Amino acid sequence: EDQVTQSPEALRLQEGESSSLNCSYTVSGLRGLFWYRQDPGKGPEFLFTLYSAGEEKEKERLKATLTKKESFLHITAPKPEDSATYLCAVQLIKAAGNKLTFGGGTRVLVKP
Amino acid sequence: NAGVMQNPRHLVRRRGQEARLRCSPMKGHSHVYWYRQLPEEGLKFMVYLQKENIIDESGMPKERFSAEFPKEGPSILRIQQVVRGDSAAYFCASSPGQGPPGYFGPGTRLTVT
Repeated sequence: EDQVTQSPEALRLQEGESSSLNCSYTVSGLRGLFWYRQDPGKGPEFLFTLYSAGEEKEKERLKATLTKKESFLHITAPKPEDSATYLCAVQLIKAAGNKLTFGGGTRVLVKP
Repeated sequence: NAGVMQNPRHLVRRRGQEARLRCSPMKGHSHVYWYRQLPEEGLKFMVYLQKENIIDESGMPKERFSAEFPKEGPSILRIQQVVRGDSAAYFCASSPGQGPPGYFGPGTRLTVT
């Protein structure tokens, strides 16, 4: 069965304290892996797409990496405005259209 | 360019009533996805539609739920005879056809009392 697991479930950081979020997947045929940010009461906001092992993408303080079994979202020197739930999702080769399977998310709280 | 729009943002229904959720995709997008987020759970795929066609409804409950995306107008997710377990946030996403559903709407929060 295809599974996407995110860890930790929650993460409390001090401002400036870098850390990494993990998204591990057990799927049959990965087409792409996606990271989203979701603020309370809002819809997910697209961050990155990764398609092949070894690929890396960066945006401000965020950097996403991909291996054959997992992806990491690194947050460097986070600020309070980086507080959000970070979601990863996979797109499978066998899936019709562009359907995404989401992990449970990691809630990040950055304290000043 | 307006993003994905959903209405209503909040909807309260009594058990047994019908709920209609609307989604207007981004301009130029002809593909719509509906996802459901139950309390303390992740987003779950429900249905994928193109104009006038249902492409993948593998995530839709077999009964009471239906979706459409007519040639004109918004996509509609319809839930008949709602039950308390239907209480959730329902998100719509759209894409131009190529690539993932990168643009999500703000969601409709359905509460069944």
